[in-house]
Amino acid sequence: SQTIHQWPATLVQPVGSPLSLECTVEGTSNPNLYWYRQAAGRGLQLLFYSVGIGQISSEVPQNLSASRPQDRQFILSSKKLLLSDSGFYLCAWSGGPTGADYGYTFGSGTRLTVV
Amino acid sequence: GEDVEQSLFLSVREGDSSVINCTYTDSSSTYLYWYKQEPGAGLQLLTYIFSNMDMKQDQRLTVLLNKKDKHLSLRIADTQTGDSAIYFCAEGTFSGGYNKLIFGAGTRLAVHP
Repeated sequence: SQTIHQWPATLVQPVGSPLSLECTVEGTSNPNLYWYRQAAGRGLQLLFYSVGIGQISSEVPQNLSASRPQDRQFILSSKKLLLSDSGFYLCAWSGGPTGADYGYTFGSGTRLTVV
Repeated sequence: GEDVEQSLFLSVREGDSSVINCTYTDSSSTYLYWYKQEPGAGLQLLTYIFSNMDMKQDQRLTVLLNKKDKHLSLRIADTQTGDSAIYFCAEGTFSGGYNKLIFGAGTRLAVHP
């Protein structure tokens, strides 16, 4: 069966420090991968998506970047964190063109607090 | 453009039915989804409905879709305290090689005795 792992679960980082959040998927190949951010009391904002290795699309301009060095690995990064980067970050995957009917499967999320 | 709207808060008594409503704007949506998020956790897919269906029932959950009005609802029968969570509506449109999901802001369901 397919599983998605996301870590760390909680992170407190000072302003100006770098960030690296990692997400891996098991039990499937060539998944579509997504990074979302959920600000306190707000909905989900799609940050990045990837349909293949090295293919990254950004939905909104921001202080973050994403990379997909391997088929089932998706990394969210920042060189210098801002206070406004605080939030709950969710990684998700979908089964590519044949996975439309099952939507996305989400990881357990990372709570990032920038201080 | 694409937009999904839902009310932010719903309070119900334990044992009653809950109805969470959602409206969307993209008429080309292929699937519509309901997700549940418990505190501090990721989103869990509850159910989904294909856009050419009017209704889908799954145990205590009933999804109604009015495609003409672009209105989606989720009914939870016999609501329990364990149903307390945030419920997200999402519309899915297949384009650019992936299934693009647009989420609403979420409805916080509070179940009280």
